[in-house]
Amino acid sequence: DSGVTQTPKHLITATGQRVTLRCSPRSGDLSVYWYQQSLDQGLQFLIHYYNGEERAKGNILERFSAQQFPDLHSELNLSSLELGDSALYFCASSALSGGAGDTQYFGPGTRLTVL
Amino acid sequence: AQSVTQPDIHITVSEGASLELRCNYSYGATPYLFWYVQSPGQGLQLLLKYFSGDTLVQGIKGFEAEFKRSQSSFNLRKPSVHWSDAAEYFCAVGARNQAGTALIFGKGTTLSVSS
Repeated sequence: DSGVTQTPKHLITATGQRVTLRCSPRSGDLSVYWYQQSLDQGLQFLIHYYNGEERAKGNILERFSAQQFPDLHSELNLSSLELGDSALYFCASSALSGGAGDTQYFGPGTRLTVL
Repeated sequence: AQSVTQPDIHITVSEGASLELRCNYSYGATPYLFWYVQSPGQGLQLLLKYFSGDTLVQGIKGFEAEFKRSQSSFNLRKPSVHWSDAAEYFCAVGARNQAGTALIFGKGTTLSVSS
C-alpha cells in the first residue's frame, strides 16, 4: 500500500458526460501527479500540482482539467467524454516540488469506461 | 526529446531462472531512472531508482539494476525468479528540465513465470 488513495475504483459512463476522479496523496506529500494508462498510448503524464499550484502539463486534453485543494487532495475532471477516454487513470504523489530526483508513489488507479 | 524503450514486450522465464529486462533511454544529461512493477489490477510499485553515484542499484524483492551511460541502458535483473514476480514492468526516466517532473515511461514488459 503506497498510501495514495483514489476514488472511485471503477467508473462507467456514457459519451458526452462529465466525471470527477479524486486522489488523496500520502501524508505529508505536497505534489500530486496524474497519469493516463491506455492500451494504445501506454502510461502518459497529464498534469502536476504542487501545494495547490499547477507546475507542469503533459498531454492533457483541453476537455480535462485538474485542481489541488488546500487539504492537498486533487481532482481530475474529464468532460465531454469520448470512447477513447476509456483508460486507467493514476494519481501519484511525492514529497518535493518536482525535479527529476523526486520519487513518485502511485495510487491504485481509477478505471474509466466510456460507453 | 526524452524517451524510454523497452524492447521486449513479453518475456517468459522458468521459476528459479535468472531474469534481465532491458531498458534504453534517450536523455540529454545524466538521467534519473526508475523501475516500477504493476501487478494485475494494481497500481505501480517502485522497485528501485537511480539518481547518481553507484551505478548498480539494489531494490526491493531482490531486484537490482545497472546504469550504463555508454549504452544508455538501465537493465533490471533478478538472480532467481519466483512465480509471484509475474507482472508488468515499467522503466521510466524523470525529466529534468521542467518546474515539475514528468515521468516518461516505456511501453512495459510483461513477465510470465513458468513452473
